[in-house]
Amino acid sequence: EAGVAQSPRYKIIEKRQSVAFWCNPISGHATLYWYQQILGQGPKLLIQFQNNGVVDDSQLPKDRFSAERLKGVDSTLKIQPAKLEDSAVYLCASIGQERPNEQFFGPGTRLTVL
Amino acid sequence: AQSVTQLDSQVPVFEEAPVELRCNYSSSVSVYLFWYVQYPNQGLQLLLKYLSGSTLVESINGFEAEFNKSQTSFHLRKPSVHISDTAEYFCAVRENTGGFKTIFGAGTRLFVKA
Repeated sequence: EAGVAQSPRYKIIEKRQSVAFWCNPISGHATLYWYQQILGQGPKLLIQFQNNGVVDDSQLPKDRFSAERLKGVDSTLKIQPAKLEDSAVYLCASIGQERPNEQFFGPGTRLTVL
Repeated sequence: AQSVTQLDSQVPVFEEAPVELRCNYSSSVSVYLFWYVQYPNQGLQLLLKYLSGSTLVESINGFEAEFNKSQTSFHLRKPSVHISDTAEYFCAVRENTGGFKTIFGAGTRLFVKA
């Protein structure tokens, strides 16, 4: 089966600019996550979707970050405006019913904010 | 609230030597425990998991981890490492209370030297 797809793989922007990341989970996976992984740290959950509904966005900085999964399949994460401290790898992961305790991760998008 | 502590940020070891990567967690309820591996420029991959049953779990590439409830630990071990095991290893915890929110440790970089 195809894995979790993410694009772009790398993005460099200047502070105060906007950026968007895209994720396509494994086909049929209802649960989708966005994580932020800052250099030297473990992934931190930003938002969790179940189909097209938000399950947990308690750690999403909602003043600048937004995410959607309108049709319950692919998802976009947006940052507007970006700050220097947003430099990180943004990981997308999904879970399917057949293996409910295993998250499948995409390769991530490395964001550099100058 | 749950938390995960990986006691070593970096572990250098010679090829064919044994290695132990330490992980301790904190939670007020029962948990599921995971080890993920991240190779350079790749997403996280599940290495092994403890859900229930035998406290000793093994991966297909020779790693094992033992769940110790009294010490709240889930240390990862391998009796003989290879150069190809060089990667970042993340311990993760999910409370067994429904939902799929997973907390990750900060990671341990394993560096295998020839």
